[in-house]
Amino acid sequence: DGGITQSPKYLFRKEGQNVTLSCEQNLNHDAMYWYRQDPGQGLRLIYYSQIVNDFQKGDIAEGYSVSREKKESFPLTVTSAQKNPTAFYLCASSSSPFLGSYEQYFGPGTRLTVT
Amino acid sequence: QKEVEQNSGPLSVPEGAIASLNCTYSDRVSQSFFWYRQYSGKSPELIMSIYSNGDKEDGRFTAQLNKASQYVSLLIRDSQPSDSATYLCAVNLMGTGGGNKLTFGTGTQLKVEL
Repeated sequence: DGGITQSPKYLFRKEGQNVTLSCEQNLNHDAMYWYRQDPGQGLRLIYYSQIVNDFQKGDIAEGYSVSREKKESFPLTVTSAQKNPTAFYLCASSSSPFLGSYEQYFGPGTRLTVT
Repeated sequence: QKEVEQNSGPLSVPEGAIASLNCTYSDRVSQSFFWYRQYSGKSPELIMSIYSNGDKEDGRFTAQLNKASQYVSLLIRDSQPSDSATYLCAVNLMGTGGGNKLTFGTGTQLKVEL
């Protein structure tokens, strides 16, 4: 069954703690993306990766870090430097942006609450 | 001016009517346009892609693209209560360094009333 999985679905953390969100895909897609969505707002791009061992900052990368050691996996770490980490985090992938295929498919999301 | 702009709504239509959702974008050289549906509390789901001027139909959905006027629209025929959701427009903004990314609008909330 092909798709994108994110875990956990809900995550609660204390302020000052780093937390890592998981994103795995078995679609053989080259590119992966992380977005955050706040209530009533659109999607904001945090980081993206078009190829293994390479990634670029999106519009709101401060306070976040990523790695892309495997094609299937693109974990996101929310660090204590992120001022307002409580949000809905969405991972997406697309097959071959370099070849003009920009359609992105989303995982189910992780809802992070930091208190 | 926002790069991808949508009316936030809510847009209310009666069941069985046609719902018309609009999106304008800032970049004249954009080539790829997408509509996503997002139910409350869920992740976005891709429902339509369009790349050429004109209409593209898929079931009850029709996407319309006019590159000269820089707008893309989504028509939903025979609207059902299950169509009630937020619809996100996404554009690959090639001309503004968008590269291999999509820029999303903030979405239009659609309510289909019985």
